[in-house]
Amino acid sequence: DARVTQTPRHKVTEMGQEVTMRCQPILGHNTVFWYRQTMMQGLELLAYFRNRAPLDDSGMPKDRFSAEMPDATLATLKIQPSEPRDSAVYFCASATIVWGSTDTQYFGPGTRLTVL
Amino acid sequence: AQKVTQAQTEISVVEKEDVTLDCVYETRDTTYYLFWYKQPPSGELVFLIRRNSFDEQNEISGRYSWNFQKSTSSFNFTITASQVVDSAVYFCALIRGGGFKTIFGAGTRLFVKA
Repeated sequence: DARVTQTPRHKVTEMGQEVTMRCQPILGHNTVFWYRQTMMQGLELLAYFRNRAPLDDSGMPKDRFSAEMPDATLATLKIQPSEPRDSAVYFCASATIVWGSTDTQYFGPGTRLTVL
Repeated sequence: AQKVTQAQTEISVVEKEDVTLDCVYETRDTTYYLFWYKQPPSGELVFLIRRNSFDEQNEISGRYSWNFQKSTSSFNFTITASQVVDSAVYFCALIRGGGFKTIFGAGTRLFVKA
């Protein structure tokens, strides 16, 4: 049963610290998405990659957030420096998408981030 | 612009009752995809169903059924004989054909009491 995995599942940190969240997409999936979920905003798309190349990161605060895919099995989302307003659940999702198609996104379990 | 509206914020039912979760969408695209996801208390998002805009056939999967009506831009979800394990937040979502960006509704929290 292939699944998206995310680490850590929970992270508590202090304001100003760097936070790195990791995601392992389902093997063979070529597109990775990062979402943020908060009570106020619901689910927001932060960024997505296809074949490891960033396609759109317009949903991400550029000054402190960065997303990368060092290889096909690892996607990272970094926040530096973190702020209390970044407290949220961050989800990674993956899919197999070729141009002109829209595939189902499968979500990981999420990383619950608390910034004090 | 695309939009998904789940007008029901919370629904509470007693076990074995049937319950319908409403989803209304807006899009100008002729090709689009609709989804339902379940988020149980453990927090993960579980894919339930995907439907494309050219397939209005209703779908049934066990106790779950979905009613897609383009005429009313709705994609409603019914749970028959609800169970406590159905307690979760349910999200309806929309993606334009060939697109990547998922537009989620605000979610409906379902409580099923024993």
